[in-house]
Amino acid sequence: NAGVTQTPKFRILKIGQSMTLQCTQDMNHNYMYWYRQDPGMGLKLIYYSVGAGITDKGEVPNGYNVSRSTTEDFPLRLELAAPSQTSVYFCASSHNSPLHFGNGTRLTVT
Amino acid sequence: AQTVTQSQPEMSVQEAETVTLSCTYDTSESNYYLFWYKQPPSRQMILVIRQEAYKQQNATENRFSVNFQKAAKSFSLKISDSQLGDTAMYFCAFVPLYSGAGSYQLTFGKGTKLSVIP
Repeated sequence: NAGVTQTPKFRILKIGQSMTLQCTQDMNHNYMYWYRQDPGMGLKLIYYSVGAGITDKGEVPNGYNVSRSTTEDFPLRLELAAPSQTSVYFCASSHNSPLHFGNGTRLTVT
Repeated sequence: AQTVTQSQPEMSVQEAETVTLSCTYDTSESNYYLFWYKQPPSRQMILVIRQEAYKQQNATENRFSVNFQKAAKSFSLKISDSQLGDTAMYFCAFVPLYSGAGSYQLTFGKGTKLSVIP
């Protein structure tokens, strides 16, 4: 099993550009999450989903959008990239178990 | 809202020695889980150990053990016989059971950078 797969691993964006961070899991988990990790900080929850078609905001949702059309996929969309969104982004999934994390995407906005 | 505090930004330990990382948390919940995650330079997030608040017995996983003090809201991680591969960031995390069946919306501390010195 691949677990949780995130693409891309690295990305550089210019201010105002948009992009989608992809996340897919093959464990049939209902719950999926997006976290961001800033330098010297722990992870903060951006959005989460309890199943296909259902999403909700976490602690730091501003500037992001998500969708969950299938159980497997949970993409994160940045519409107008800002320098404050420079971070490492982690996708995770779970179901009655601790989180399974992807390997992260390092995003730089300049 | 819950908060998780790790008061030691950086620590170091000699190889084969024992080190303890501190974590305190603030919550009004009585039922919750606590976790320690390890993040090596590879950036992976690896679960080290989990503690259920309703269990009085401290969790252990090989060289890793916790000291869970529910009344004091303290959850420290002890690493015995430290190895070079233990060099990593360590994050303490909390989730209340009310998050929903199967849901793990974790709250993380800021992390402790542990260096194991040969």
